[in-house]
Amino acid sequence: DAGVIQSPRHEVTEMGQEVTLRCKPISGHDYLFWYRQTMMRGLELLIYFNNNVPIDDSGMPEDRFSAKMPNASFSTLKIQPSEPRDSAVYFCASTTSGGALEQYFGPGTRLTVT
Amino acid sequence: GENVEQHPSTLSVQEGDSAVIKCTYSDSASNYFPWYKQELGKRPQLIIDIRSNVGEKKDQRIAVTLNKTAKHFSLHITETQPEDSAVYFCAAIRGSARQLTFGSGTQLTVLP
Repeated sequence: DAGVIQSPRHEVTEMGQEVTLRCKPISGHDYLFWYRQTMMRGLELLIYFNNNVPIDDSGMPEDRFSAKMPNASFSTLKIQPSEPRDSAVYFCASTTSGGALEQYFGPGTRLTVT
Repeated sequence: GENVEQHPSTLSVQEGDSAVIKCTYSDSASNYFPWYKQELGKRPQLIIDIRSNVGEKKDQRIAVTLNKTAKHFSLHITETQPEDSAVYFCAAIRGSARQLTFGSGTQLTVLP
């Protein structure tokens, strides 16, 4: 298996622009998580899905952030409009509802908003 | 919600020595405690985990201990090597939920 796939790996954009991050979970995994990592706040859970349905979005910082999962193999995290404080590494992770609880992380997207 | 505290934030050891990182959690319903290693510029990767029905688990040079009564768990790395240098995160999952709450991380440096 290719593991969790994220794109792009790096994104540089100007303040006010829309940014879309993409994630493909491991095939067969029915949980998908979006995390944000910064030096100041560490690893934060933004939102997670189960069977394509958002379960908990309490970590989404504000209305500028939105996430969708239109099918079992694809999810997006959108920021509109972007701000410099959104600069961070965004990780997607997936896991299965079976016995194992390990979450498998993607390589991350490093977002820089200037 | 769950709160996980991790200490120390930085740790330097000589190669061959042992390293210990400690975490405490707040929710007594938490029942799964993984440890992730993150090398610079890379993704977090699971190195060991423990469930609440077990007090200790070992995997070669790595071990994790859990004290449910005190609500704390620790990572032990023996015979440290330079390649052990990384940031280590503890985490906890509450009950049947799937969301991880992470500690703040420990930067481990193994000095040659």
